[in-house]
Amino acid sequence: TQLLEQSPQFLSIQEGENLTVYCNSSSVFSSLQWYRQEPGEGPVLLVTVVTGGEVKKLKRLTFQFGDARKDSSLHITAAQPGDTGLYLCGDYGGATNKLIFGTGTLLAVQP
Amino acid sequence: GAVVSQHPSRVICKSGTSVKIECRSLDFQATTMFWYRQFPKQSLMLMATSNEGSKATYEQGVEKDKFLINHASLTLSTLTVTSAHPEDSSFYICCGTDQETQYFGPGTRLLVL
Repeated sequence: TQLLEQSPQFLSIQEGENLTVYCNSSSVFSSLQWYRQEPGEGPVLLVTVVTGGEVKKLKRLTFQFGDARKDSSLHITAAQPGDTGLYLCGDYGGATNKLIFGTGTLLAVQP
Repeated sequence: GAVVSQHPSRVICKSGTSVKIECRSLDFQATTMFWYRQFPKQSLMLMATSNEGSKATYEQGVEKDKFLINHASLTLSTLTVTSAHPEDSSFYICCGTDQETQYFGPGTRLLVL
């Protein structure tokens, strides 16, 4: 069974600071996805990456996929209170045809 | 974009009763539906995967007789929590996929008294 471990588990920072969230898988990703979830809502897809070594940018968010396709990072520059939420990495597809999630990183950005 | 709705959004029930949660894909055909459970400040835990017209595949540790999943059509899947107990109180989320993109419902908050 594939395990997705995220770190840190909790993160509280001040507005304007930078941060990095990590995701490590016990096996190679089929299709890595990053989501953000706000309380009481479903997750919202931020990005999908499939190629090892790939870097994608979404405004102040930078996503990196490890060369071996077993790890990933999400870097947020100049965090804002609106970035507050639960960040989840996920893996979709492959032989199991499932969408499973990492342990999650709960981010709080204080104004 | 595609939308998935869930009903009810919140439900409170007495211990021992059954609760049905509906998940509808409004403008796409969900060939596969995932059901998740989420406890406060934790990640989404996959409960089961269902394909339209076939039996659901349950994850290890999830009781199939307690969490009944029906995926009778490409636009509707239901999760029934049978004989609910307080420990079943949680946030239940469905996710429909047309095999290319995944679309999440807004979730159902279940409180069992």
